[in-house]
Amino acid sequence: DQQVKQNSPSLSVQEGRISILNCDYTNSMFDYFLWYKKYPAEGPTFLISISSIKDKNEDGRFTVFLNKSAKHLSLHIVPSQPGDSAVYFCAASSGTGNQFYFGTGTSLTVIP
Amino acid sequence: GEEVAQTPKHLVRGEGQKAKLYCAPIKGHSYVFWYQQVLKNEFKFLISFQNENVFDETGMPKERFSAKCLPNSPCSLEIQATKLEDSAVYFCASSQSRETMGYTFGSGTRLTVV
Repeated sequence: DQQVKQNSPSLSVQEGRISILNCDYTNSMFDYFLWYKKYPAEGPTFLISISSIKDKNEDGRFTVFLNKSAKHLSLHIVPSQPGDSAVYFCAASSGTGNQFYFGTGTSLTVIP
Repeated sequence: GEEVAQTPKHLVRGEGQKAKLYCAPIKGHSYVFWYQQVLKNEFKFLISFQNENVFDETGMPKERFSAKCLPNSPCSLEIQATKLEDSAVYFCASSQSRETMGYTFGSGTRLTVV
């Protein structure tokens, strides 16, 4: 039962353009969402988060949007850089300390 | 330190042998989580701790897996009588509060059961 879904396994974007990664969830109890970036043979690295009381959170080139009615969140990277090439995971949880449910990741390739 | 330290990085065990993995969370972090990454992009939750107390163990295969987080010691995940399907990368993560910076993950232990 996949409660968090990333339906695009891969995405290629030209350097300097916008990358948009999407994530859908099914559990309406989720109230905290994160994006992680992962390189091969490394652990996931926290990128940005958003609480369900917000619909947008921005940190430099990274912006996360949350649409609670659609149970959808997206990560925008502008401008995309070759160093952004990695696998991106979205994750969701309900309640402090509760487990995070991960999506299956989207592999982003930024083409120089 | 400011990183989650997992040891060993690689572990090879014969089927039926015991495997023990360690995780030193970031000092001051109250929550510790263990995840298993079997397929390339799937993270399976195993167990979480709040300090030395089990917080959520709904993901643990009870019959062979056990875990502890004791004061002043690294947390540990132990697999008795390993099976081929236990081959995976095991990640540990810690957090003081999820609202500050999410969870910080270690770099994982790759367990290979042969």
